Parts: sequence; C-alpha cells; structure tokens
Amino acid sequence: ETGVTQTPRHLVMGMTNKKSLKCEQHLGHNAMYWYKQSAKKPLELMFVYNFKEQTENNSVPSRFSPECPNSSHLFLHLHTLQPEDSALYLCASSQQDGVGAEAFFGQGTRLTVV
Amino acid sequence: GIQVEQSPPDLILQEGANSTLRCNFSDSVNNLQWFHQNPWGQLINLFYIPSGTKQNGRLSATTVATERYSLLYISSSQTTDSGVYFCAVAPSGNTGKLIFGQGTTLQVKP
Repeated sequence: ETGVTQTPRHLVMGMTNKKSLKCEQHLGHNAMYWYKQSAKKPLELMFVYNFKEQTENNSVPSRFSPECPNSSHLFLHLHTLQPEDSALYLCASSQQDGVGAEAFFGQGTRLTVV
Repeated sequence: GIQVEQSPPDLILQEGANSTLRCNFSDSVNNLQWFHQNPWGQLINLFYIPSGTKQNGRLSATTVATERYSLLYISSSQTTDSGVYFCAVAPSGNTGKLIFGQGTTLQVKP
C-alpha cells in the first residue's frame, strides 16, 4: 500500500474515446505532479500543481487536460489520443514548504491507445 | 537545462556481488533521489539525498553536491534487486519537479 494511489492500473482506449486517470495522495502533501514514461525514454514531467493551482505545463498537447479539485486529488482527462501517447503515466506528490522534501510516486497507469 | 547521466546503462551481476551505480548532473540541485522501478512500473523510493551519505540495509548512497555526482552502492546483491534504477534531480525551487536520468538496468542472476 503506497501513499499515492492511481486508478486504473491499466487502460486501453480508442483514439476517439474520452477517459480519465485518477490519482489520490494520503500523505498530506501540497503539490502533485503528472509524469509520462514512454518506452526507451526517461520519465518526463507533464504538469505541476501547488496548492491546487497549476504552476507548470511542460508543453503538453491539449488532448491531455489535468484537473486538481483539492490538494489530495489529481486527474488527467484524456481525449482524442494518438497511438504514440501509449505510455506509463505516473502521479507523484511532495510537500513544498521552502525546506524541500522527497517526491513519492503512485503505481502508475499503463495506457494503450489503439 | 540540467543534464542527468547515469552509468552504466546495463549491469549483470551474480547473486552476492557488489555494485556501484553512478549519477552525474550538470548543475547545482535542490533535490536528488534514487528510485528502483519494479517490473510493474512502480517507482520505489530508495534515498532522498541532495548531499551526504545514507544507508538502508544493503543499500547506501553518497552525493557529493560540489562535484555534481551521486553513487548508489548495492552490496550482496539478490535476484530481487533486479530492475531499473533511476537517479532524479530537481534543479531549484520545487523539489518535486524531477529530471530523470536514463536509468541503469540491473539483472542479478542466481
């Protein structure tokens, strides 16, 4: 059992579908993140939320739409994806209080776009 | 932006052997973490070590921030140590904004 939980663990979707990935953190952190891990590539930061406000969008296409309704929950809404968007999507959280603290990751959602 | 390089890219060991994984980074950092990615994709936190030395069982890590490198030591390796080891750094400010290296893939043979 981790402090960061992601659902679903696996997702197969067509290019015309709309789906959402969910992330919940139970660590009391104030910052949450979405990362993408494609085959043969290092993890890439997609979005950053501090205190529910989006503070960074790392040039992510608009077919990925994040939502952070509160400090504990983070969603990634997906629509009209491409096969090259197939990847492992990882959520993370950390406490940002000026001192610095480690980030913790969820189990990931393995997405396949067909 | 900051560059993170890990070496070696691949490593094969016999069970019981020791190993050292290296992470070089090109600029000063606010955070450095080592992770082990299991076969199911989850990143397991090993060390939060922006500087200094830490030990946890058979694993230990050292970061020399002034020389911009970190080392992960695995002693008496076991087959369950197999997987990908990532080093990740946060250049400044938000310590969760991590830049990952390419990883070292470790295979421990029985």
